[in-house]
Amino acid sequence: AQSVTQPDIHITVSEGASLELRCNYSYGATPYLFWYVQSPGQGLQLLLKYFSGDTLVQGIKGFEAEFKRSQSSFNLRKPSVHWSDAAEYFCAVAPTTDSWGKLQFGAGTQVVVTP
Amino acid sequence: DTGVSQDPRHKITKRGQNVTFRCDPISEHNRLYWYRQTLGQGPEFLTYFQNEAQLEKSRLLSDRFSAERPKGSFSTLEIQRTEQGDSAMYLCASSLPGVSEQYFGPGTRLTVT
Repeated sequence: AQSVTQPDIHITVSEGASLELRCNYSYGATPYLFWYVQSPGQGLQLLLKYFSGDTLVQGIKGFEAEFKRSQSSFNLRKPSVHWSDAAEYFCAVAPTTDSWGKLQFGAGTQVVVTP
Repeated sequence: DTGVSQDPRHKITKRGQNVTFRCDPISEHNRLYWYRQTLGQGPEFLTYFQNEAQLEKSRLLSDRFSAERPKGSFSTLEIQRTEQGDSAMYLCASSLPGVSEQYFGPGTRLTVT
């Protein structure tokens, strides 16, 4: 069955430290890949996306993600977190065989930033 | 453009009542999606419109759920005879044609008591 897995439910990181959030997918063919962030009371905001090409993708707010086909992974990274990065992060995929683009989301990773 | 808007932001209803939510997408977006998000989970796809045509419905969308997009602009999601299991955040998103970025609204949080 097609699936998106975010192995870490909760991550605590110190302000200024680096952050990596993991995402693995199980699909017949490489899907389109996305990372969204959700802050309390806010809608989901797209951080970055991967459709094809360069496997290192730059996004907004200083985030980047690396697509690794061999590992079926699309991990999100930030070199130095800010207190405002505290939020829930969702990895999402859209099958390339589906032109309608509906998204399948992982369960999310809650990020807590400590002083 | 103010983005995707949803109304109401919160709704508390008693079991058995009907509720209706509204979504106004970004004006030039012809695709509109509804998702449901329960506590501790990622959003789950419910249904999708291209212009006024509803092109796909998830198995999550039982007979008590109906969605419309009558003029290809705003959309409504109605839940009839609400159940406690319907308590969730209902998210709307819109996008341009093709597989492209979906822009999400703030959601409507439904609580069924």
